[in-house]
Amino acid sequence: QKEVEQDPGPLSVPEGAIVSLNCTYSNSAFQYFMWYRQYSRKGPELLMYTYSSGNKEDGRFTAQVDKSSKYISLFIRDSQPSDSATYLCAMSGGAQKLVFGQGTRLTINP
Amino acid sequence: DAEITQSPRHKITETGRQVTLACHQTWNHNNMFWYRQDLGHGLRLIHYSYGVHDTNKGEVSDGYSVSRSNTEDLPLTLESAASSQTSVYFCASSARESSNEQFFGPGTRLTVL
Repeated sequence: QKEVEQDPGPLSVPEGAIVSLNCTYSNSAFQYFMWYRQYSRKGPELLMYTYSSGNKEDGRFTAQVDKSSKYISLFIRDSQPSDSATYLCAMSGGAQKLVFGQGTRLTINP
Repeated sequence: DAEITQSPRHKITETGRQVTLACHQTWNHNNMFWYRQDLGHGLRLIHYSYGVHDTNKGEVSDGYSVSRSNTEDLPLTLESAASSQTSVYFCASSARESSNEQFFGPGTRLTVL
C-alpha cells in the first residue's frame, strides 16, 4: 500500500463548477501538506502549503487538512479552463523529503 | 529573476551508456532534489543534497549518482542506462529555512533504447 493515495482521474467538470480533489495517507508523522499544479510537459508548481490540521484559503483555492482522518483536500471555486492541469498532493514529516500522490488529471470544460 | 534550469530538455540514449542530466539553480538554495515521474507512480525521489559535498539516497536511487561541488548545481548521472530508466526527470530546490517548499525545474525527458 502506498503511503499517499490519490485518485488519478481523469476528472472533467464544466466551467464555474466547484472542484474537490483529495488524498489520503497512512503515515501519521506527516505534518506538512502541499498541493502542486502541473501543466502538460511542465514542472510542478507549488499551489498551496499548509502545516498540521486546518484550512487555508488563497483566492479561489482552499486547502483542508484533517489529520485525524489522514485526509487532505483541495477545493477550487469558480473553476476556469486555465485550471486544467494535473494536481499532485505532497506531504512531509519535516525531514524535507516529500512523498507525492500519483496526481489527478483535471479538465475544466468551457 | 532567480530560476532553476535543466538540460538537456530531451535526451535519447542507448542501453549501457553513461548519461548526465544537469540542474542549475540561481536561488542560492541549500537543498536540491532529483525526482523521476512515471505513469502510475507520481514523483519519486532519487537523490537529494542539503548542501555542498552532501548527498543522500532517496527511494529509487539504484543506478543513479549525484555530486554537489557548489551551491548552484546538482548533476544526476546514470552510470549505465537501462530501459527502466526511461522517464521524465525533475530537479527541485528549496531554502534551508522553508525546506518543504520545493521549486521545480522544467524537466528532462529521457528515453533509453
